[in-house]
Amino acid sequence: GNSVTQMEGPVTLSEEAFLTINCTYTATGYPSLFWYVQYPGEGLQLLLKATKADDKGSNKGFEATYRKETTSFHLEKGSVQVSDSAVYFCAYSSASKIIFGSGTRLSIRP
Amino acid sequence: GAVVSQHPSWVICKSGTSVKIECRSLDFQATTMFWYRQFPKQSLMLMATSNEGSKATYEQGVEKDKFLINHASLTLSTLTVTSAHPEDSSFYICSAPPRQGFERDGYTFGSGTRLTVV
Repeated sequence: GNSVTQMEGPVTLSEEAFLTINCTYTATGYPSLFWYVQYPGEGLQLLLKATKADDKGSNKGFEATYRKETTSFHLEKGSVQVSDSAVYFCAYSSASKIIFGSGTRLSIRP
Repeated sequence: GAVVSQHPSWVICKSGTSVKIECRSLDFQATTMFWYRQFPKQSLMLMATSNEGSKATYEQGVEKDKFLINHASLTLSTLTVTSAHPEDSSFYICSAPPRQGFERDGYTFGSGTRLTVV
């Protein structure tokens, strides 16, 4: 069935390190892909999205490229900051609903 | 941008009691609201979709009589967990789809409610 698989956390990095959070999906057709972020005590916020193959979504230094051939949408950032500590959810839209991954908790050490 | 206010943010209740969770769209009208629950280290699972003025649509396996959803107005959707039991302890979160013309903003989520049933 349709699903999203993302890297299990928690992920702990030092400030300025390179970040990759892997995400793969199983879906029919050409869904839109998303990364949502949830900061402590807050609701989910859209971080970035891509609506078709080879599209690259980017925001706040984060990037993810829609790879149809590998059904992946990995999240990357070249230099993380303490303020990036949060839970990150990969997701895709299907029939007006959003299917989420299990979330990856990211902690950045100063 | 669009804001969805969800209350309470956390609640502890005794087994057998009912708990109501509210989600309000503060500066826009939400004709649809999605309700999710999340168990520790698991995905957000869609429970149901509420629609203003009509019955909610429940996902397979979700008990309609246990999770009562009401969408009484264009700005308020509620989820009531009836006769709560410890296994209902979870994180519940609501979400409104993007407003027409603001699709690039994505879905708007409430801040979530952590329910603990003792």
